Amino acid sequence: NAGVMQNPRHLVRRRGQEARLRCSPMKGHSHVYWYRQLPEEGLKFMVYLQKENIIDESGMPKERFSAEFPKEGPSILRIQQVVRGDSAAYFCASSLRRLAQSTQYFGPGTRLLVL
Amino acid sequence: GQQLNQSPQSMFIQEGEDVSMNCTSSSIFNTWLWYKQDPGEGPVLLIALYKAGELTSNGRLTAQFGITRKDSFLNISASIPSDVGIYFCAGLTSGTYKYIFGTGTRLKVLA
Repeated sequence: NAGVMQNPRHLVRRRGQEARLRCSPMKGHSHVYWYRQLPEEGLKFMVYLQKENIIDESGMPKERFSAEFPKEGPSILRIQQVVRGDSAAYFCASSLRRLAQSTQYFGPGTRLLVL
Repeated sequence: GQQLNQSPQSMFIQEGEDVSMNCTSSSIFNTWLWYKQDPGEGPVLLIALYKAGELTSNGRLTAQFGITRKDSFLNISASIPSDVGIYFCAGLTSGTYKYIFGTGTRLKVLA
């Protein structure tokens, strides 16, 4: 019974490159959430997706960041033209139902370092 | 953005001691969760609380949902070295799907 999977676990990019982070939710989960964690801080909500739909992207920067959760395949968080300030740990979580009715489980995270 | 305040921010304790930490907010929450995060890993769910006043245990861990619904407490009894890590609280407001995370309590256990 695999948990939430994320890859890569570590990603190094130079300024201006693109970063693609992947998240496979737990089996049967159709709700995915992305969070960002800066060193010594808590997790900050970025975006909530259900299959093929973005439900809430209020925590995601309007430029350079995008997220998708296609009908088949993992959820993708994409950061274009990365800058040093994008360096952080990015966590994906999934839940069986909407959060008001079920809890969320986290993946191991992708640690992005922008040089 | 909105954030929950956790205290203490960090603590060093001796193995075998009991630990208490809390999480407070100016807002009312309908759900409280407590997570533990080990270095280099994602948060792992410890306890979930769904009702004001609720007291729930998970092994040596006990958490309570405050009566005012603006706070929650986590206690760890007889700490052991593997309890080391960062403990986060998270709150969910009715009708929303965005958990607000606390700032974390960093626990270090001295053998």
